[in-house]
Amino acid sequence: SQTIHQWPATLVQPVGSPLSLECTVEGTSNPNLYWYRQAAGRGLQLLFYSVGIGQISSEVPQNLSASRPQDRQFILSSKKLLLSDSGFYLCASQDDYEQYFGPGTRLTVT
Amino acid sequence: AQSVAQPEDQVNVAEGNPLTVKCTYSVSGNPYLFWYVQYPNRGLQFLLKYITGDNLVKGSYGFEAEFNKSQTSFHLKKPSALVSDSALYFCAVRVSAGGSYIPTFGRGTSLIVHP
Repeated sequence: SQTIHQWPATLVQPVGSPLSLECTVEGTSNPNLYWYRQAAGRGLQLLFYSVGIGQISSEVPQNLSASRPQDRQFILSSKKLLLSDSGFYLCASQDDYEQYFGPGTRLTVT
Repeated sequence: AQSVAQPEDQVNVAEGNPLTVKCTYSVSGNPYLFWYVQYPNRGLQFLLKYITGDNLVKGSYGFEAEFNKSQTSFHLKKPSALVSDSALYFCAVRVSAGGSYIPTFGRGTSLIVHP
């Protein structure tokens, strides 16, 4: 099975600061990769997905961006964080059927 | 379009009693159905899936789910609940062919098992 690594586990950033969250995947090749945000411990909001290196699709227009520089690396970025960017960010990988999730990053924007 | 409904925000059950967490879905075509569990401040963990074949699917930690095509449901069940089963449970669906491979998740149901 796959293993998803995310870091950092927690992050406190001031409004207007940049952001970079990294996700790496082990145990598979050429997976579909996803970034989700979860607010208030509830539903998942799909932010970005990628079917291959350099291929990014955005689901929600916002001040976040994503990149996939390598097959098993997925990065979530922002140039200037907003208060509304606070939340729990989850990276996921998918082969044929189910998704495998990373441990998540708790982001607090102050 | 595809959608998932988890009609209960919270389910309360006593330890040792059977539990059911409900899920209904809507999809154009044959569905792939999934259940995931999330413990506090953790990522989601895959529990079980229905792809094809037997309507009763068995998964991790003693959980099972029954695919009911006529009722478009995929309820999660366990014969005897444990306090450690207390967590947030998500149902997800995607179409098996001819559509998006991206799953749609329900809003989640909080399961609380009382000692």
